[in-house]
Amino acid sequence: KNQVEQSPQSLIILEGKNCTLQCNYTVSPFSNLRWYKQDTGRGPVSLTIMTFSENTKSNGRYTATLDADTKQSSLHITASQLSDSASYICVVTGGGGSNDYKLSFGAGTTVTVRA
Amino acid sequence: GAGVSQSPSNKVTEKGKDVELRCDPISGHTALYWYRQSLGQGLEFLIYFQGNSAPDKSGLPSDRFSAERTGGSVSTLTIQRTQQEDSAVYLCASSLRPTGRSGNTIYFGEGSWLTVV
Repeated sequence: KNQVEQSPQSLIILEGKNCTLQCNYTVSPFSNLRWYKQDTGRGPVSLTIMTFSENTKSNGRYTATLDADTKQSSLHITASQLSDSASYICVVTGGGGSNDYKLSFGAGTTVTVRA
Repeated sequence: GAGVSQSPSNKVTEKGKDVELRCDPISGHTALYWYRQSLGQGLEFLIYFQGNSAPDKSGLPSDRFSAERTGGSVSTLTIQRTQQEDSAVYLCASSLRPTGRSGNTIYFGEGSWLTVV
């Protein structure tokens, strides 16, 4: 079973609207959680990184939240633009000790923004 | 260079041939990862290099896959006797230090798109 589960698998929103993507994880011990944006045919690009003590981080119109107690994170996209159409991937680092470099990837949420 | 550079960007090869994929990490980055991403799938860990430490090869799917990192910089992923199921995007990533608790940004290359026909 994947240690990082994302939902929804895909969503379609109208340009200008907001949306929220979810990420639940079971990776333990936890080090940090990252959100990446991957455009079709491109490599993933980092949006946010949050450590255990951080519960929110923003990058422009992207705002990520983290609840380390419930092991949940969300990525909120405000005032969506056509260029936001991409796959958004949740990545958790953890494992403890010498395994602290291991990355656990979610399957991603595909967002399609329509005019 | 400014980012992680991978080559070739696209490779079509015949089944049974060997291929080499190259990754140039960001200068000074000690940690280097290789991942594989099949169409519509998540990223699959292949191998991890950190400085002069022994690499973590636990993700390599078979003994046809190997990787090396010379001089702590450039890395080459080699696939011998390619099979059709090897068709995927091979992504390389690097970070300044081990990711761990430091929360270093991990930078990905654009990938090498491999098609085995």
